[in-house]
Amino acid sequence: DAGVIQSPRHEVTEMGQEVTLRCKPISGHNSLFWYRQTMMRGLELLIYFNNNVPIDDSGMPEDRFSAKMPNASFSTLKIQPSEPRDSAVYFCASSSDTYEQYFGPGTRLTVT
Amino acid sequence: DAKTTQPPSMDCAEGRAANLPCNHSTISGNEYVYWYRQIHSQGPQYIIHGLKNNETNEMASLIITEDRKSSTLILPHATLRDTAVYYCIVRPRMEYGNKLVFGAGTILRVKS
Repeated sequence: DAGVIQSPRHEVTEMGQEVTLRCKPISGHNSLFWYRQTMMRGLELLIYFNNNVPIDDSGMPEDRFSAKMPNASFSTLKIQPSEPRDSAVYFCASSSDTYEQYFGPGTRLTVT
Repeated sequence: DAKTTQPPSMDCAEGRAANLPCNHSTISGNEYVYWYRQIHSQGPQYIIHGLKNNETNEMASLIITEDRKSSTLILPHATLRDTAVYYCIVRPRMEYGNKLVFGAGTILRVKS
């Protein structure tokens, strides 16, 4: 199994641009999670899906952030417009009905 | 959500056992204790979890006190590759998924 796949691994963009982060969960997993990690705030859960349905998006910082999961094998996290304070590492994780979450390698986003 | 308290950092000699403590005095009766770790520049990795009984797997052992107010993660023979941030997490009650709330964790430095 390839594990959770995230793309791109690194993204550098200018303030005001749209950014789309992508995630492919492990096949057969029915829950998907988006996290953000910064030095100041640590690891924060942004949103999670169960069976492609958003269950809890209370961690999404503001309306500039949106996430979709059109099918069981793909999810996107979009920031529009991006701001320098959005610079962080964004992790995607997936799980089945077991206890472990499997994390991807992360996308390091830099907004200048 | 139940909260956890961990020491900010610990050192351990290579080859010795690393004992990482965690306090979770407000844990509810059916909440589990999870441990994850994050090696530099990687996504978090599941280590072990438990409810009441002590648990052991190929990575570590988890000792939970009888009153469940604290636990200890034991890495029996620490290696340099075990240098990481270790997170003790109490899983909130959720119907869907395995929502995890990460604290600051303990930075474990294994030294030769």
